[in-house]
Amino acid sequence: AQSVSQHNHHVILSEAASLELGCNYSYGGTVNLFWYVQYPGQHLQLLLKYFSGDPLVKGIKGFEAEFIKSKFSFNLRKPSVQWSDTAEYFCAVNVGLGYGGATNKLIFGTGTLLAVQP
Amino acid sequence: SQTIHQWPATLVQPVGSPLSLECTVEGTSNPNLYWYRQAAGRGLQLLFYSVGIGQISSEVPQNLSASRPQDRQFILSSKKLLLSDSGFYLCAWSPAGGWDEQYFGPGTRLTVT
Repeated sequence: AQSVSQHNHHVILSEAASLELGCNYSYGGTVNLFWYVQYPGQHLQLLLKYFSGDPLVKGIKGFEAEFIKSKFSFNLRKPSVQWSDTAEYFCAVNVGLGYGGATNKLIFGTGTLLAVQP
Repeated sequence: SQTIHQWPATLVQPVGSPLSLECTVEGTSNPNLYWYRQAAGRGLQLLFYSVGIGQISSEVPQNLSASRPQDRQFILSSKKLLLSDSGFYLCAWSPAGGWDEQYFGPGTRLTVT
């Protein structure tokens, strides 16, 4: 069965530190990859996504992620975190459901809670 | 622009009572619709998805059911709630016919007592 692993469950950093959150998935077919973020009290929202092309994708708020197909990984990075980056981060993989046509099923990791100390 | 609404925002229900959570989407037609449950430390689990009116697929066996009576309305129901149904329920939509991102609603916090 398809799965997504986020190895860091809780990360605490000081402002200006660099961030890297790991994400590995298990699925041998074509995938689309996503990082979602949930700020305290807010909706889950998209941070960035990879469909094809350049494996290094840039998202909002200075985040980027690199797709390494051989490692089944899609790690999230930010060179210098801010207090406002405190949130929960979810990696997700999209595999087709094939229900009467193209649709999508998102498989989420268990999330990483990031706390940035000022 | 598209918006997604969920209500109620919070709900406290006794064991054995019925449940109805509603989700509506505005600004798009024929969306794919999804119900997820989010549990602390366990990520989001897909419960149901729908690609059209009256078309519902269940991802996991459970005490809940879903219905889609209108194109942009998705309802999560239960006839008799269990304690284990407590959780945070998220509705999401995505454009039909593609593998694009999903857009999430604000969620409903359900506590079964």
